[in-house]
Amino acid sequence: EVQLVQSGAGMKKPGESLKISCKGSGYSFANYWIAWVRQMPGKGLEWMGIIYPGDSDTRYSPSFQGQVTISADKSINTAYLQWSSLKASDTATYYCARGLFEMAGDFWGQGTLVTVS
Amino acid sequence: DIVMTQSPDSLAVSLGERATINCKSSQSVLYSSNNNNYLAWYQQKPGQPPKLLIYWASFRESGVPDRFSGSGSGTDFTLTISSLQAEDVAVYYCQQYYRTPLTFGQGTKVEIK
Repeated sequence: EVQLVQSGAGMKKPGESLKISCKGSGYSFANYWIAWVRQMPGKGLEWMGIIYPGDSDTRYSPSFQGQVTISADKSINTAYLQWSSLKASDTATYYCARGLFEMAGDFWGQGTLVTVS
Repeated sequence: DIVMTQSPDSLAVSLGERATINCKSSQSVLYSSNNNNYLAWYQQKPGQPPKLLIYWASFRESGVPDRFSGSGSGTDFTLTISSLQAEDVAVYYCQQYYRTPLTFGQGTKVEIK
């Protein structure tokens, strides 16, 4: 069974750093793109960027380029999304999803709520 | 960026009746070399992640009830729920995966009348 399990909710202060994770199982993690999607409270879905764990090829949405860093460690089937200096406007639920690059997102993590206050 | 515009923003449909959601892209998402429309539909219920319903504009994801169907090509697409059930109350999003950045429609909220 394909699963993406994300790290737990976090509460941070503005200016702090944060790294959240997404661990895949039940498939060949290195061979599928993993995307990160933001959903601000009560709002829609925004594609932030994507990584191919097999070779760490990474693409960012221009809206998020320079604001976050996407990485992956294929040895432990885990992708990451990190911030070096959080803002209040980063408060949102963040989802990882398999695919979402040249294919639809067929499996999604449960979401990680990040609160910056 | 390719802008995805859904209509309506919300709709209320009686149980057992048809619900229709439209999605228009600002440029074609039909890739001529393989004749595929790079368009997906998702359902999101409160507190849950999005769930893939339809991909390549008209292919139903495994396990999705056949009352859900997708149609359209190029820039105009439709998601149809043929007979609305109580469990279909949700927000529905279209999304293009033709070009980065991938973009979603603003969402359509479906409720029971």
